[in-house]
Amino acid sequence: AQRVTQPEKLLSVFKGAPVELKCNYSYSGSPELFWYVQYSRQRLQLLLRHISRESIKGFTADLNKGETSFHLKKPFAQEEDSAMYYCALSINDMRFGAGTRLTVKP
Amino acid sequence: GAVVSQHPSWVICKSGTSVKIECRSLDFQATTMFWYRQFPKQSLMLMATSNEGSKATYEQGVEKDKFLINHASLTLSTLTVTSAHPEDSSFYICSARGQGAGETQYFGPGTRLLVL
Repeated sequence: AQRVTQPEKLLSVFKGAPVELKCNYSYSGSPELFWYVQYSRQRLQLLLRHISRESIKGFTADLNKGETSFHLKKPFAQEEDSAMYYCALSINDMRFGAGTRLTVKP
Repeated sequence: GAVVSQHPSWVICKSGTSVKIECRSLDFQATTMFWYRQFPKQSLMLMATSNEGSKATYEQGVEKDKFLINHASLTLSTLTVTSAHPEDSSFYICSARGQGAGETQYFGPGTRLLVL
């Protein structure tokens, strides 16, 4: 069965520091992975998907099939990055990890 | 980008009553819609998947007679919580995928249900 694990519920960094939100998945086939972000009182928004290999708001994520990981990274965190981040795995439907709440302190 | 709306945004009802939540894709045809439930400080849990014109596929542990899903058109799906009880109080979120939206799922803003 497909599963997504985000080991950190909370992550706090200072403005300007690098940030990495971890995501591991379990699926035997070729996965389609996403990162979604939910800002306070807003709906879920797609941040990026692995097949597009693009950088959004300075965030990148690389699929590592050997480690079954899809960690989200940003070299210099900004205060406006504070939000809830969900890693998701899509086969026929989308399954979400538990989420990581990122707080960027001034 | 593709837009998904939900109505109502919040609802309060008495225990034992039924509540209907609508999910609409505004600028694309949603061949597949998904309903999620999110408890406070928890992740989204998939409840069911519905394809237009077909019966919904429910996840294990989700009562299909309690959470009625109808996807009668390519732009509208409804979730009816029948005989609601306080434990049904939650945040219900729909998402849609389909023609004009690629394979990406677009999410509605959610509906907060409070059952007294």
